[in-house]
Amino acid sequence: KNEVEQSPQNLTAQEGEFITINCSYSVGISALHWLQQHPGGGIVSLFMLSSGKKKHGRLIATINIQEKHSSLHITASHPRDSAVYICAVHTGNQFYFGTGTSLTVIP
Amino acid sequence: KAGVTQTPRYLIKTRGQQVTLSCSPISGHRSVSWYQQTPGQGLQFLFEYFSETQRNKGNFPGRFSGRQFSNSRSEMNVSTLELGDSALYLCASSLMDTYEQYFGPGTRLTVT
Repeated sequence: KNEVEQSPQNLTAQEGEFITINCSYSVGISALHWLQQHPGGGIVSLFMLSSGKKKHGRLIATINIQEKHSSLHITASHPRDSAVYICAVHTGNQFYFGTGTSLTVIP
Repeated sequence: KAGVTQTPRYLIKTRGQQVTLSCSPISGHRSVSWYQQTPGQGLQFLFEYFSETQRNKGNFPGRFSGRQFSNSRSEMNVSTLELGDSALYLCASSLMDTYEQYFGPGTRLTVT
C-alpha cells in the first residue's frame, strides 16, 4: 500500500481552466509538500503545509489534517503550468512521495 | 544566494563499480537529503543529514551510504553498482528537516 496517493495521474486542460490535483495520505505527518517537476528533472517546491491553506499567485494549496487530504488548485491555467506535480509528506523521520500528476495545458 | 549544486550532472558506470556523488547546499542550510528517482518507483527517500549526522534513512540497502562535512556539503556513495541503480539522484537542502526543501538539478547515473 502506498503511503501517498495522488489523483488524477494524468490531466489535460485547456488554457484558462481551473485545475485540481488531489493527494491522500495514510501516515501521520509533520508537513506536506507540493512539488513541481518540469521535463529535464528540475524540482521546485511550491508549498509546504501543516494546516489550512496557502496561496502563491494562481496556485492554492489546502490541507485537511483530520481527513488526511490535500488539494492543489491552479486557477486560470497556462501552458507554462505543464509539468508533473508531486505530493510528498514528511513523517518526522522519512519522506513519502506520490507518483505524481502529469499536467498538460493546451493553448 | 546560489542554489543547490550537484556534481557531476551525468555519469556512466559499469556494474560492480562504485560511485560518489556530491551535493553543495544553499549557504546556511544545515540539512541535506538525498532522493532517488526512477520511472518505475518514482521518487524515494534515501537519507537525511543534519550537522554531519545521519538523522533519517529510507529503505535502501547498505550499498547506499552518505556523509556530510562540517561545511554542510554532502556526498553519497553507491558501491557494487547494479543495473537497477540507474536513476536520477537528487539532493535537497533546507534549514531544518521539515522545512521547505530546495532541490538541486540532480545527477543522472547510468549503469551499464
